[in-house]
Amino acid sequence: NAGVMQNPRHLVRRRGQEARLRCSPMKGHSHVYWYRQLPEEGLKFMVYLQKENIIDESGMPKERFSAEFPKEGPSILRIQQVVRGDSAAYFCASTPDGAYNSPLHFGNGTRLTVT
Amino acid sequence: AQKVTQAQTEISVVEKEDVTLDCVYETRDTTYYLFWYKQPPSGELVFLIRRNSFDEQNEISGRYSWNFQKSTSSFNFTITASQVVDSAVYFCALSKGGGGNKLTFGTGTQLKVEL
Repeated sequence: NAGVMQNPRHLVRRRGQEARLRCSPMKGHSHVYWYRQLPEEGLKFMVYLQKENIIDESGMPKERFSAEFPKEGPSILRIQQVVRGDSAAYFCASTPDGAYNSPLHFGNGTRLTVT
Repeated sequence: AQKVTQAQTEISVVEKEDVTLDCVYETRDTTYYLFWYKQPPSGELVFLIRRNSFDEQNEISGRYSWNFQKSTSSFNFTITASQVVDSAVYFCALSKGGGGNKLTFGTGTQLKVEL
C-alpha cells in the first residue's frame, strides 16, 4: 500500500496517560500535516511539518501536544496527560511539496478514546 | 480569517435522484484553492477535486459535477443519479497560502442514499 499509513487505527488511553500517533507519508512525500476531527465537526488543522522541521504549529494546543517528523521514521503526534476532551479522530496527510494547491493525501486516521 | 460553511448537515435521497451539496466560503485572499473530500463510513478521506480561484469553469467527472461561482463565493457539488455507494460525509475545504496547504474545512454534509 503506497498510501499514507497511520497507526494505530484505534487507541484507548486513560486520563493522564500518553498517546503516540504515528504517520508514514506516501512514498516520495516529505511534507506532513496533522488534523483533528472532533465528533460532528470538520477537520481542524494542527501542525505542518517537513523532515526534521516544524513549519507551522499554529493549530496545536500550547500544552501537552507535540509533533515531530525525524529524518528517519514516521511522523509522531504526541499527547501527554490525555484528557477526555482529547478524544477525537486524528488524521495525517502528506504532500510531495509545500505548494498550497497540492491536494492532501490522507491516511485512515487514528481514533483516540480517553476513558 | 477564512471560513467554509456547509449549511446542510444531512441530506437523504432515494437512489437515482440528483443531489446538490452547498458550500459557501469566505476569504480575503485573491488567489486560493477550493477542494472537496469524501469521507465514507470506513472513515478515510478521499480527495475529489481541486479548483483554483481563477478558473470558474464548471467541471464534470462522470456523475459528479462542480459549480464554482466567485460572485457568490460558492463551490457547489452535484451528484447525478445518486447511488448507495455515494453515502458518505462530504467536506468542502479552502486552502490558505503562506507556506504549505493548510486547509480550512467546512463541517461536512452527511449524504444518505437509500434504495
